Amino acid sequence: GESVGLHLPTLSVQEGDNSIINCAYSNSASDYFIWYKQESGKGPQFIIDIRSNMDKRQGQRVTVLLNKTVKHLSLQIAATQPGDSAVYFCAEINDMRFGAGTRLTVKP
Amino acid sequence: GAGVSQTPSNKVTEKGKYVELRCDPISGHTALYWYRQSLGQGPEFLIYFQGTGAADDSGLPNDRFFAVRPEGSVSTLKIQRTERGDSAVYLCASSLRQGDEQFFGPGTRLTVL
Repeated sequence: GESVGLHLPTLSVQEGDNSIINCAYSNSASDYFIWYKQESGKGPQFIIDIRSNMDKRQGQRVTVLLNKTVKHLSLQIAATQPGDSAVYFCAEINDMRFGAGTRLTVKP
Repeated sequence: GAGVSQTPSNKVTEKGKYVELRCDPISGHTALYWYRQSLGQGPEFLIYFQGTGAADDSGLPNDRFFAVRPEGSVSTLKIQRTERGDSAVYLCASSLRQGDEQFFGPGTRLTVL
């Protein structure tokens, strides 16, 4: 079946640098995506969402880009902080499918 | 309530036993979802309810798993004859309507010995 997946399982960045986390999806009918952050022992927490009629959406320090041509999503975190260390998932909401996640580690 | 709550937070049981996991969604949310998350993996969809009815139960792994939402609010995930492979964190989420942003609870960590 079609699924949502991530390119890299781990990402380590220096505090203050920008982080980019990628996600590929295969269902071309997918039209609503959410990035979630999950800290150890907690449930996933909403970060930002995007619908298929948009290419880009910005929040506070976070930006999501959607490339429907290649079925790719990315999450950009500006000025990464130690508190950003967590596992990040992209989710295709209509199919209720999550990728395996990328673990972001921020080095002070 | 202020958010999705799940009880218990931890459950340890023996192989073969029956367990119930409870989810209290955000008040007014009509859609409720159950996921299972194994270590190092993303949440895996199990079932979702729209109101009282199970709209999609395609993710339930077998007939030992069952979920109910009799009044369209609280939901209970029931697992019969538990197996060690059932050990995981069981997450519940709710949304205002199906297809909207899902808000997650903290999960129930189930350990089957």
